[in-house]
Amino acid sequence: DGGITQSPKYLFRKEGQNVTLSCEQNLNHDAMYWYRQDPGQGLRLIYYSQIVNDFQKGDIAEGYSVSREKKESFPLTVTSAQKNPTAFYLCASTKDRSNTEAFFGQGTRLTVV
Amino acid sequence: AQSVTQLGSHVSVSEGALVLLRCNYSSSVPPYLFWYVQYPNQGLQLLLKYTTGATLVKGINGFEAEFKKSETSFHLTKPSAHMSDAAEYFCAVSDTGFQKLVFGTGTRLLVSP
Repeated sequence: DGGITQSPKYLFRKEGQNVTLSCEQNLNHDAMYWYRQDPGQGLRLIYYSQIVNDFQKGDIAEGYSVSREKKESFPLTVTSAQKNPTAFYLCASTKDRSNTEAFFGQGTRLTVV
Repeated sequence: AQSVTQLGSHVSVSEGALVLLRCNYSSSVPPYLFWYVQYPNQGLQLLLKYTTGATLVKGINGFEAEFKKSETSFHLTKPSAHMSDAAEYFCAVSDTGFQKLVFGTGTRLLVSP
């Protein structure tokens, strides 16, 4: 079945460490997105990529980095520069940048310990 | 700039009662409007969307929403609530496809027996 797979489902990070969240899709979608979700704040866009080897900052990109070396994969690295990384992270994809129907992964819950 | 306001962070209904979740938007151009549902620790699933055409939009699981331009509203309704409808619901607006989607802060629907 086609879909988006995020891993791991739960992740614990020590302060000062970088961690990488995985997002893989087999939908043959061109565009992929990373969102951060905090209670009471809805979803906020971190980064998005409309094509391989290209990506743009979203509204809250500081302290995060991404890569898009393959169409299927869009990993997100939470760096030590992100001061408050504890959150639920969601990856999504659309067929292309103008398409309005998105598919979401199941999310990764990151906790700083 | 676009924005979305969801009135009520929590809405409680009894099983079998009408569900009404409110969403008002602000957009300088004709908008695309969406409702997503999120179950605990899961990703988001598209319930329905309005792009153009008929203003009453039917979605999955018996939900529907009506685009009212004069009221800048896109309220979500369901005639009869089921226990399985308990989840968080997000309204979202975009004018240029998914990458510029702006989410509301969400409304948690509680359904009691």
